[in-house]
Amino acid sequence: NAGVMQNPRHLVRRRGQEARLRCSPMKGHSHVYWYRQLPEEGLKFMVYLQKENIIDESGMPKERFSAEFPKEGPSILRIQQVVRGDSAAYFCASSPVPAGGIGNTDTQYFGPGTRLTVL
Amino acid sequence: GQQLNQSPQSMFIQEGEDVSMNCTSSSIFNTWLWYKQDPGEGPVLLIALYKAGELTSNGRLTAQFGITRKDSFLNISASIPSDVGIYFCAGFNQGGKLIFGQGTELSVKP
Repeated sequence: NAGVMQNPRHLVRRRGQEARLRCSPMKGHSHVYWYRQLPEEGLKFMVYLQKENIIDESGMPKERFSAEFPKEGPSILRIQQVVRGDSAAYFCASSPVPAGGIGNTDTQYFGPGTRLTVL
Repeated sequence: GQQLNQSPQSMFIQEGEDVSMNCTSSSIFNTWLWYKQDPGEGPVLLIALYKAGELTSNGRLTAQFGITRKDSFLNISASIPSDVGIYFCAGFNQGGKLIFGQGTELSVKP
């Protein structure tokens, strides 16, 4: 049973280019979460998606960042016109039902991450 | 926004020693999770705690969910070199969002 898959594992972009990060959730999971981790920091929530719906994007920067989770295929986190400050590890997690909440015993399982370096 | 304060930031211990780290918050959390992250990898879930006061073990790891729902600790007994890594506490807040602590970096000397 494959875990959460992310690709590419490493991505190098020059300033101004676009970065597209992909996440395939675990089989049977229809809820996807994206997080960003800066060096020596914890993970910070960016966005929560279900199939074809953005549920919570309160952690996404207002400009240049977008996310989607289409009916078919992986979830995509897209960063347009990248800047050096976008360099970070981006992690995707998935769960079978919305994770969290009192009495909810489901949690999130993380992928290996994509390390984005902006030159 | 909500924060989890994790301590200590780093620990250097001898193989065989016990380790304790904790997480506190000024806000209530519904669920507490402890993750371990190895270099270049994603966080791996170690222990999940769902009820206030709950004490749960997973091998040499023991974690407790504080009775006030505002804190949790993780203990590792008889540490071994492969315990090296960064340990994160995380909690689901009442809005269902997963909030992470800053991490505790553990180094184990053989």
